[in-house]
Amino acid sequence: SQTIHQWPATLVQPVGSPLSLECTVEGTSNPNLYWYRQAAGRGLQLLFYSIGIDQISSEVPQNLSASRPQDRQFILSSKKLLLSDSGFYLCAWSVGGVVDYGYTFGSGTRLTVV
Amino acid sequence: QKEVEQDPGPLSVPEGAIVSLNCTYSNSAFQYFMWYRQYSRKGPELLMYTYSSGNKEDGRFTAQVDKSSKYISLFIRDSQPSDSATYLCAMSGTGGGNKLTFGTGTQLKVEL
Repeated sequence: SQTIHQWPATLVQPVGSPLSLECTVEGTSNPNLYWYRQAAGRGLQLLFYSIGIDQISSEVPQNLSASRPQDRQFILSSKKLLLSDSGFYLCAWSVGGVVDYGYTFGSGTRLTVV
Repeated sequence: QKEVEQDPGPLSVPEGAIVSLNCTYSNSAFQYFMWYRQYSRKGPELLMYTYSSGNKEDGRFTAQVDKSSKYISLFIRDSQPSDSATYLCAMSGTGGGNKLTFGTGTQLKVEL
């Protein structure tokens, strides 16, 4: 069966520090991968999505970047965090292909920038 | 106008009530419709999945899609305190890696 791992679960970082959040998927090949941010009381904001290695699209201009060094690994990074980067970050994957079966989300990382 | 509109609630109901959650959308290309349940501080989990119009039932949950009205619903029968969560609708067009468009979520509380 397929599983998705996301870590760390919580993170408190000072303003100006770097960030690296990692997400890995097991049990599937060539998944579509996504990074979302969910601010308190707000909906899901798509940050990046990837349909393959080195194929990453950015949805929102921001202080963040994403990389996919391996087929089932997706990394969210920042060189210098801002207070506005605080939020709940979610990684998700979906099956590539014609039919859309929806996403499977990771358990999320709660980031607080202080 | 947002592509997907969802009442944020909060919605509070007594245990055993029938709950109706709804979303409206504007993009007629949407064909895949989903409902996610998100408990506090957790990632969303897929609850119901429907393709095109019609009804789908799974235990106490029923999903309805009315493409002519661009309106989808999730009904929860015999609601339980464990159903207390945020429910997000989501939909997509041609599929195959198309990005899901999410509603903002409705917060539901089922009280004893």
